[in-house]
Amino acid sequence: AQTVTQSQPEMSVQEAETVTLSCTYDTSESDYYLFWYKQPPSRQMILVIRQEAYKQQNATENRFSVNFQKAAKSFSLKISDSQLGDAAMYFCAYRSAGASYGKLTFGQGTILTVHP
Amino acid sequence: EPEVTQTPSHQVTQMGQEVILRCVPISNHLYFYWYRQILGQKVEFLVSFYNNEISEKSEIFDDQFSVERPDGSNFTLKIRSTKLEDSAMYFCASSIQGMEKLFFGSGTQLSVL
Repeated sequence: AQTVTQSQPEMSVQEAETVTLSCTYDTSESDYYLFWYKQPPSRQMILVIRQEAYKQQNATENRFSVNFQKAAKSFSLKISDSQLGDAAMYFCAYRSAGASYGKLTFGQGTILTVHP
Repeated sequence: EPEVTQTPSHQVTQMGQEVILRCVPISNHLYFYWYRQILGQKVEFLVSFYNNEISEKSEIFDDQFSVERPDGSNFTLKIRSTKLEDSAMYFCASSIQGMEKLFFGSGTQLSVL
């Protein structure tokens, strides 16, 4: 079974600065997808970014980018120019390429605080 | 942007009672899911549902659980005889066929007393 680990329960960053959230995972599969979801106080999880394991290029979405290290099974999220609205719980998630679309395995989450 | 709606936001029930959690997925979505998060633990997959049948379920989703899409707009999770350990936040999600992006609801906090 796959596992996802987020070793940082909490992180903080100053507004306009850059922060990196860590995620590692364990799998014996070669084809899979990795995700970062944001959960604001409204509790609705929102997809931030997605990475396909077969792609070497790191995914980028505006101020959000990932550092995907397949051999190390590491998938960190970098948030540049942090904004107050980035404050939330962030979940790293894994999906097997063979699983149904919505079967995600989540990490424990990292609470991000943004200081003005 | 369209949203997944879950009601109620908080439900309290007595142990042994049946409970139904309700969700209204986004109207053109075809895949539906339930997840739960016990306090202090990870978000866990329960079940996926497509074309009026379960496509995949986890070990957690035993005979006490069932899902239904009764009227083409609602998607429900029923727990037949609730246990204390069923207390958790339950999230509904939906997705368009072939798309990776899941849209989550705000969750229903179930408290079993």
